[in-house]
Amino acid sequence: DAGVIQSPRHEVTEMGQEVTLRCKPISGHNSLFWYRQTMMRGLELLIYFNNNVPIDDSGMPEDRFSAKMPNASFSTLKIQPSEPRDSAVYFCASSLAAIRSEQFFGPGTRLTVL
Amino acid sequence: GENVEQHPSTLSVQEGDSAVIKCTYSDSASNYFPWYKQELGKRPQLIIDIRSNVGEKKDQRIAVTLNKTAKHFSLHITETQPEDSAVYFCAAPPGNTPLVFGKGTRLSVIA
Repeated sequence: DAGVIQSPRHEVTEMGQEVTLRCKPISGHNSLFWYRQTMMRGLELLIYFNNNVPIDDSGMPEDRFSAKMPNASFSTLKIQPSEPRDSAVYFCASSLAAIRSEQFFGPGTRLTVL
Repeated sequence: GENVEQHPSTLSVQEGDSAVIKCTYSDSASNYFPWYKQELGKRPQLIIDIRSNVGEKKDQRIAVTLNKTAKHFSLHITETQPEDSAVYFCAAPPGNTPLVFGKGTRLSVIA
């Protein structure tokens, strides 16, 4: 298995533009997580899905952020419109179960909003 | 909600010495405690975890201890090597929810 796949690996955009981050979880994993990592705030859980259903999006910073999981092998995190303070590394992770189960992280997407 | 505190934020040790990182958590219902290692520019990866029915777990040079009464758990690395240099994160799940991560400890092993 190739592990969790994320694209793009790097994204540089201008303030106000729409940004879409993509994730392919490990086949057979039932849970998918989106995290944001910054120096100041550490590793923050934004949203997680169980069997393609969003369970908890309380970590999504504001309405500019949205996430979807249309099927078991694909998820997107969208920021519209983007702002400089959204600059961070965004990780997707998947696991067999949502709790008490090892999370496998993707390589991350480094987002820079100018 | 769960609050996970991790100390120290940075740690420097001489090669061959031991390193200890400590975490405290607030939710007494937490019952799974993993540690992740993140090398520079890489993704976090699980290195060891412990469940609340045991007090200690070892894997070669790495060990984790758990004190449920005091609500703290620790990562111990013995005979440190330069490749142990990384950021280490502890985590705990508040009840039946996914993980809350600590802020991380940057470990530097000096050769």
